[in-house]
Amino acid sequence: QKEVEQNSGPLSVPEGAIASLNCTYSDRGSQSFFWYRQYSGKSPELIMSIYSNGDKEDGRFTAQLNKASQYVSLLIRDSQPSDSATYLCAVFISGGYNKLIFGAGTRLAVHP
Amino acid sequence: GAVVSQHPSWVICKSGTSVKIECRSLDFQATTMFWYRQFPKQSLMLMATSNEGSKATYEQGVEKDKFLINHASLTLSTLTVTSAHPEDSSFYICSARMGQGGDTQYFGPGTRLTVL
Repeated sequence: QKEVEQNSGPLSVPEGAIASLNCTYSDRGSQSFFWYRQYSGKSPELIMSIYSNGDKEDGRFTAQLNKASQYVSLLIRDSQPSDSATYLCAVFISGGYNKLIFGAGTRLAVHP
Repeated sequence: GAVVSQHPSWVICKSGTSVKIECRSLDFQATTMFWYRQFPKQSLMLMATSNEGSKATYEQGVEKDKFLINHASLTLSTLTVTSAHPEDSSFYICSARMGQGGDTQYFGPGTRLTVL
């Protein structure tokens, strides 16, 4: 069973703080990792993809990947109330599956 | 780029009727499309994977005779919920993956189905 684990939250952070969202996965052979944001009642939207160990920055978002530890995280700097949403971690499983496995998501609440 | 549309965005129907939902990739060719269902406050559940020109692959527990999927072209996949019942009421979301070795999935805006 290919699994992606996330804390369900809610993760509550004050406006302007750094929000740190974490995800672990079980398939050691996975090479592609994604973070999606889903607002209540809406469909997921892609925030970032990451393929190599280390950090990848895009604006206020930084994705971090550690394949040895099977761990991927998303940091949101200068958190805004508009960042309040559920963040979904997704891992691409190849080798016959060829599909994304999603975590259950972490609900982030940014309070003013 | 990478825009996926769905139609309709919401639909209300009577129990026993069938409902068709369309998913289109607007600016790229999608050899693979995916259909998800999401109940309130729950995570995405993959229903089936659809490859252009071939039969869909359904996830365990999803009735293929109830949820008919057609992927007749590189930009269009349809999901038909046959003989819908109130328990089929849900948020149905499609996603599409680009054809040339891409593994990134782009989601449509979703269709909210309510069966009375």
